[in-house]
Order: sequence, then structure tokens, then C-alpha cells
Amino acid sequence: EVQLVESGGGLVKPGRSLRLSCTASGFTFGDYAMSWFRQAPGKGLEWVGFIRSKAYGGTTEYAASVKGRFTISRDDSKSIAYLQMNSLKTEDTAVYYCTRGVWLTLDYWGQGTLVTVSS
Amino acid sequence: DIVMTQTPLSSPVTLGQPASISCRSSQSLVHSDGNTYLSWLQQRPGQPPRLLIYKISNRFSGVPDRFSGSGAGTDFTLKISRVEAEDVGVYYCMQATQFPFTFGPGTKVDIK
Repeated sequence: EVQLVESGGGLVKPGRSLRLSCTASGFTFGDYAMSWFRQAPGKGLEWVGFIRSKAYGGTTEYAASVKGRFTISRDDSKSIAYLQMNSLKTEDTAVYYCTRGVWLTLDYWGQGTLVTVSS
Repeated sequence: DIVMTQTPLSSPVTLGQPASISCRSSQSLVHSDGNTYLSWLQQRPGQPPRLLIYKISNRFSGVPDRFSGSGAGTDFTLKISRVEAEDVGVYYCMQATQFPFTFGPGTKVDIK
């Protein structure tokens, strides 16, 4: 059974950093792209970024709203995808979800982890 | 960026009756590889999003066959043939043909 479990969320002050993890199981993690999305309280879904599998270079793409502040990485040996978030702003407050990508089809979603940026 | 619009934004439906949601993109969603990466997601209250339909019309594993997707180019439709109580939630269309991936604003489906 495919499972994605996000962790690392919490309350953080503006300007600080936080690293989220997405721990995967039930599939060969290294064969898949991974993506991060977020959903601000009471709002719709927003794509954050994407990391290709090593077979496709392991390269990344980011939304303009987070580019230069957020970094996605992966550790295929541990089946974990990371979202490093720096210079956090109050508008980054959201539930963050990771998803598995079969190329450009994002099929399984995790349960999400809440990040609150507030002084 | 590709802008996704959905209509209606709210859809009160009688149990057992059909429902239909339209999604339109500001440009063609046909990828250079020939596929159209248009998906539909369901988000039940208090739950994470769940993939229903991918590449316009393919039902994801475990999705009931009362859900169907259709369309091409810039116009797409999600249909629920007979709405059940468990279908209450918000439905989003999403394009992954071009970065940044973008979503429609969501359509809230509830029971009359």
C-alpha cells in the first residue's frame, strides 16, 4: 500500500526556517517524481514545487512565490522527500502536502502537515 | 501561467441526481509528449485531496465508475452520474502540462 507521511510542521516566527519531510512506503521511491502542494486555511490548493526522479536528472521546479526561499531535495536511500523552507512569511501559513508523481500525473497524497508562521 | 476556471463554484445536488462541473484553461493543455495532464481531485471535509481522474478521462484506482471525465484542449468536464452522500466536498481541476501547475478555484458539491 502506497503511503506518504508528512512531518516537521509547527509554529515558527517570520524569517525563520523549517524543514518538512515526506516519508514514503509501499513503492520504489527512487522511480518516482515527488511534489509539494499547500493549502492556506479555508483556501484552495497551490502547487509549491516538484523534484524529478534521478532517472530524469533529479532536477527541481518551483512556484514563483517560493523560488529562492524553498528547496526540495530527496534521499532515495531513505525514501524521503524534503521541503526546506527559509525566510518564512506569514503568507506561507498552510497545510503542506506531498504527492507522488508518475511523471506528470500526481496520484497519491499524504495527510498533510500544518505550518503556522506567526510572531 | 495557465489560469484554470471552474463553473459552477457551488453545486447543491439532490441525492441520486447527476452533477456536472466544467473546467476551462487559458491555453491548451496538450503537452509536447501528446498527453493532456488534466486531473480532477476531490477533497472531502477535513481530508486531504484525493485523485479521481487523470489525463482527462482515466479513473484512478478505487474511484467509483459514477465519476467520469471528458474534454480536450481547453475545455473539460467532470460528471457524477448519481450523487451519493459521500461525494460531498470540493472538487478541483488541476493542470500539470506546464509549470507552474495550477488549479481551478474549486467547486463545492453539497446535498440539497
